Amino acid sequence: DSGVTQTPKHLITATGQRVTLRCSPRSGDLSVYWYQQSLDQGLQFLIQYYNGEERAKGNILERFSAQQFPDLHSELNLSSLELGDSALYFCASSPRLEEWNNEQFFGPGTRLTVL
Amino acid sequence: DAKTTQPTSMDCAEGRAANLPCNHSTISGNEYVYWYRQIHSQGPQYIIHGLKNNETNEMASLIITEDRKSSTLILPHATLRDTAVYYCIVRVNNDMRFGAGTRLTVKP
Repeated sequence: DSGVTQTPKHLITATGQRVTLRCSPRSGDLSVYWYQQSLDQGLQFLIQYYNGEERAKGNILERFSAQQFPDLHSELNLSSLELGDSALYFCASSPRLEEWNNEQFFGPGTRLTVL
Repeated sequence: DAKTTQPTSMDCAEGRAANLPCNHSTISGNEYVYWYRQIHSQGPQYIIHGLKNNETNEMASLIITEDRKSSTLILPHATLRDTAVYYCIVRVNNDMRFGAGTRLTVKP
């Protein structure tokens, strides 16, 4: 158990819909990262927040957005869903801001299925 | 554009050491080498990381060559529960770029 929690575990929805995935980081961790893992793309970094501020962006689509709240939990919003958005979405947290020397601890993931 | 090269798969006998190689010939001076593993569809699990010196923790040892162009992750006494995909990652800015990894199968 990494200490990172994600809800829900599974989510099934239809194309065109909007969903929100939630992540609570480990106690004391200020950085939150979101990743997408699909069968054909592997594990891809989406976005990072540090203490409420966006810190870095990866391969995140414009239909996706995220935020980190004052209590440090984070939400990933996916809108206008397409079949190709079906994937595992992982959240990770880390204790430091320093980018090079900073292990990330991953949550159990949310499996999104778009029908 | 992957910055690391790993074998697609490896087998190891239970109780023996598992040595997982990784090539990162274009690594920059300030880039760390990280290792993670993923069991089935669980969240990736941090194993170890290093810059220049060899590192050891309760899970594994990391051996980095002097020129830093390659490294080896060593699981000293592999168990069946170590069967997983192992990712070698060189940090690139703020994100970690996971490649395809090495699928390690520990056999009884």
